[in-house]
Amino acid sequence: DAGITQSPRHKVTETGTPVTLRCHQTENHRYMYWYRQDPGHGLRLIHYSYGVKDTDKGEVSDGYSVSRSKTEDFLLTLESATSSQTSVYFCAISEFQGSNQPQHFGDGTRLSIL
Amino acid sequence: KQEVTQIPAALSVPEGENLVLNCSFTDSAIYNLQWFRQDPGKGLTSLLLIQSSQREQTSGRLNASLDKSSGRSTLYIAASQPGDSATYLCAVWSMGNDYKLSFGAGTTVTVRA
Repeated sequence: DAGITQSPRHKVTETGTPVTLRCHQTENHRYMYWYRQDPGHGLRLIHYSYGVKDTDKGEVSDGYSVSRSKTEDFLLTLESATSSQTSVYFCAISEFQGSNQPQHFGDGTRLSIL
Repeated sequence: KQEVTQIPAALSVPEGENLVLNCSFTDSAIYNLQWFRQDPGKGLTSLLLIQSSQREQTSGRLNASLDKSSGRSTLYIAASQPGDSATYLCAVWSMGNDYKLSFGAGTTVTVRA
């Protein structure tokens, strides 16, 4: 399995509080991604990174920010959590953006916002 | 916008039966299509990746076909086992979306012993 660690694995918090999720990889892959998974929607891309300090928005980026100060770490921050952000969050990595390169996923963070 | 659909949403079969999982997508301009497996409480495991120039890929009991012109892919799992019980997702990497995979909602498979 690809070396991807997400922390925390579970979190319960209240509306309006800030939340930061961490993705740590040991594969030295250039590309990192944050997805959320909700029933009936599949996985949707929140933000992605194509290098240190190089990030861009995905399709559901409102209310989220990211940072990547080191190759191995990609942080996802909810500045002021809302109940609509209750979801399972997955981090993924890939070595290249080539047509034969799959993405590898972490085990997810289950986030509940009350 | 690329739309990916997986039908049925759930499937239950007896052990030993072959599984056929379907995936359709609306925009045929893709780089590749990937099939993933997801176990409860876990992340996604890549099973097969088919490049846009390929018609199929095989790995053990798994075979995936791709018909890009009709926007369809099928994942076949031969001689199903209870350990094959999981959710299977397909995803396409569309041209014009440099970093984005578009996912279907998945098919949840139960193989009965």
